[in-house]
Order: sequence, then structure tokens, then C-alpha cells
Amino acid sequence: DTEVTQTPKHLVMGMTNKKSLKCEQHMGHRAMYWYKQKAKKPPELMFVYSYEKLSINESVPSRFSPECPNSSLLNLHLHALQPEDSALYLCASSQEGRGGANTGELFFGEGSRLTVL
Amino acid sequence: GNSVTQMEGPVTLSEEAFLTINCTYTATGYPSLFWYVQYPGEGLQLLLKATKADDKGSNKGFEATYRKETTSFHLEKGSVQVSDSAVYFCALYTGGFKTIFGAGTRLFVKA
Repeated sequence: DTEVTQTPKHLVMGMTNKKSLKCEQHMGHRAMYWYKQKAKKPPELMFVYSYEKLSINESVPSRFSPECPNSSLLNLHLHALQPEDSALYLCASSQEGRGGANTGELFFGEGSRLTVL
Repeated sequence: GNSVTQMEGPVTLSEEAFLTINCTYTATGYPSLFWYVQYPGEGLQLLLKATKADDKGSNKGFEATYRKETTSFHLEKGSVQVSDSAVYFCALYTGGFKTIFGAGTRLFVKA
């Protein structure tokens, strides 16, 4: 069983809809990530939060808006998406090591499969 | 820049065959190396890792050794099962929250 929980597992939305993806972890990890994965490709980093502050935004279009309400929760708000945004969206977390260093080991959820019509 | 190169797939094997998936890397500094596995319809799971040269990571019968001299981290398993059918990603991490993934190698195991 994965310790990173993502909802919903599947989402179909129109280009004018507003929806959100949610992610939760209770491992005490202080870094949380959003990745996008297209079919037959590796995951691509979108955003990283560290200690609830946005640390990395990989030049993601503003129609994707991340939010980290607390250390256990991560949301991705979606608005005015395009069909090419259809993909598997993966949430991940990682543990801070001694001295605050990140160990690099990622714990992934099962993903939210998004279809934009 | 940092990069990971994996052998192209798909790899098709019969059950109980020996598996090798090649992975080489380019990195500045001293990366940690990982193999992640993605089963159909799921997210990625860590399969094994190694954090310094000559470390051997192992899990579920899979092994990989961190070879600094050849900048390689090849994945091996002595006897594959149908349940090992998945996509395998080699990855490296040097810090700054950014993991570099290889392109992935799809493995099919036939009964």
C-alpha cells in the first residue's frame, strides 16, 4: 500500500472547468512534489514545496496552480486546461535527512489520470 | 549537465530468465542512484538505491551496483517472474530536489 494518497484516481474535465487534485502523506516528510507523466515517458517535475513553501516551479503554465495548506497536504488547482495537458499527475514526497539534506528517495502516490476534452 | 541513459525497450523474456537492464549516468559531484519500478496503472515505487561508489542495492531479488569507474548502475535479476512485468526507471539525485530519470525500460515476462 502506498503511503501517499492521491484523489481522484481519474478525472475528466472540459477546457472551461475548474478542478483540483489532492495529495496527502502522513510520513512526516517535509518536501512534496507534483510530477506530470505522459504515456511511455518518465515523470517530469512541475513543482516542489519544502516546509510548505514553494521551492521550485519548472516554468509551469499558470493554468496549473499548486497549494500546500499544511505539511501533509498538497493540492493542484486546474483551470482552463488544454487537451495536451491530459496525463498522469503524480504526487511524491521525500524525507529531510540529517542537517536538513534531502535523501533523494521519492515516495509516489498512484497518480491522478486526467483527461481534458 | 546531469543525465541518465537506459537501454531501449521493450525487453521480452520468458519466466525464469536472467534480466539485465543497463543504465549509465553523467553527473557532477557524487550522485545517489536509484531504480524505480512502475507497474501498470500505478505510480512509481522505489525498487533499490545506492548512495556511494561500490554500494550494492538489492530488493525482491533485484540487484544493482554503483560503479563509479564505469558510471553505471545496471539492474539484474537472476530469475524473472510474470509479476515483474513493468516499466523500470533508472534515476540519479545530486541535490536541490531534482531527480533525473532515464527514459524507462518496459519489461514483458511471458509465462
